[in-house]
Amino acid sequence: DAKTTQPPSMDCAEGRAANLPCNHSTISGNEYVYWYRQIHSQGPQYIIHGLKNNETNEMASLIITEDRKSSTLILPHATLRDTAVYYCIVRVVSPPGNTPLVFGKGTRLSVIA
Amino acid sequence: GAGVSQSPRYKVAKRGQDVALRCDPISGHVSLFWYQQALGQGPEFLTYFQNEAQLDKSGLPSDRFFAERPEGSVSTLKIQRTQQEDSAVYLCASSLAGESTEAFFGQGTRLTVV
Repeated sequence: DAKTTQPPSMDCAEGRAANLPCNHSTISGNEYVYWYRQIHSQGPQYIIHGLKNNETNEMASLIITEDRKSSTLILPHATLRDTAVYYCIVRVVSPPGNTPLVFGKGTRLSVIA
Repeated sequence: GAGVSQSPRYKVAKRGQDVALRCDPISGHVSLFWYQQALGQGPEFLTYFQNEAQLDKSGLPSDRFFAERPEGSVSTLKIQRTQQEDSAVYLCASSLAGESTEAFFGQGTRLTVV
């Protein structure tokens, strides 16, 4: 079962920042927070991940609370092409291989013109 | 190739028919995952390979589902005696080995069992 809780849907005006919350109150010390998104009829696409520090890349910013029990994905200037389902996932780090991603139902973000 | 390639993109099977779904991962990616995604749901994990070794098949829903990756590259997911509840999108993902690496997904194969 997914270890995260997300709102089922959100709307955002085009050009504004989209802030997508995620609760992961049972996260363990060796679990990263990952965000993926899935645009209609496509496979999921990696956005960003982090352990405890805030992270930023060309797509988004990830803000993780100090107690690591929640996080927020920020799309700074949402466009219509950002309309998608956004999944917040916590994932155990298990080198040298990988562990599977456990998806919940995600948040359906609708960007409105 | 540039990304993960899955074929066919669409498959219609009669109930009871066997099907084989193919995944070509990104060259050099050690890890390969299969997921099943029902309509309106998030993807659900089926099985995981590291090179040719199937390290986790805990998500396979029944013994009708079988996956292989004999040379550590291309993988095939086979479903025997398909049932209507097998109708879903089957997604393949690959990644490099190691901590916290991102997984790259294919576009999936949409299987419809009639």
